Amino acid sequence: GAVVSQHPSWVICKSGTSVKIECRSLDFQATTMFWYRQFPKQSLMLMATSNEGSKATYEQGVEKDKFLINHASLTLSTLTVTSAHPEDSSFYICSARSRGLTGANVLTFGAGSRLTVL
Amino acid sequence: AQRVTQPEKLLSVFKGAPVELKCNYSYSGSPELFWYVQYSRQRLQLLLRHISRESIKGFTADLNKGETSFHLKKPFAQEEDSAMYYCALSGQDGQNFVFGPGTRLSVLP
Repeated sequence: GAVVSQHPSWVICKSGTSVKIECRSLDFQATTMFWYRQFPKQSLMLMATSNEGSKATYEQGVEKDKFLINHASLTLSTLTVTSAHPEDSSFYICSARSRGLTGANVLTFGAGSRLTVL
Repeated sequence: AQRVTQPEKLLSVFKGAPVELKCNYSYSGSPELFWYVQYSRQRLQLLLRHISRESIKGFTADLNKGETSFHLKKPFAQEEDSAMYYCALSGQDGQNFVFGPGTRLSVLP
């Protein structure tokens, strides 16, 4: 089945530094990937939709200069949290879209990346 | 604007009892509806999708376009069903997957 690998699973960084999170689809090509943020005991908040070869579409209220998304290939999307601050500490989850046998859209999720900014 | 609502944050039932997790949506067009489940310390995984009209782990969900609902049902809950359940919506172009706030199902022994 479809597998999405997300790396790193946990990262701690100092305030002001930048952190890059990778999301890879291992055995399928994903023209569309999604980035979510999840706060403790809350639902997933869609941050942006990433389409291969084009600029990401950000949801309202998400700073595109703070959360840089690059989808350079059909199997890799990256999220870079620039000049991270403690309020950016969160659980970031990526997912990749593929088409199932019936043609329906299927999302496969990565395991998530926990970012802690000191 | 597309939106998914799940009115119950927490739902507790006894083992063997029927369970229904509610989901309502708003979308201009024909959406695709999904249920995702997150067991403790595991990643989100697809449970079922309306287009497949399938039953997974005893769960079913019917899309009611008139009521814009996609409630998840199981006639006899099991303890291993305890998890976080998310209803999700996507346009048919696969863009903008949006999730509801989630319902935590707790099945008591």
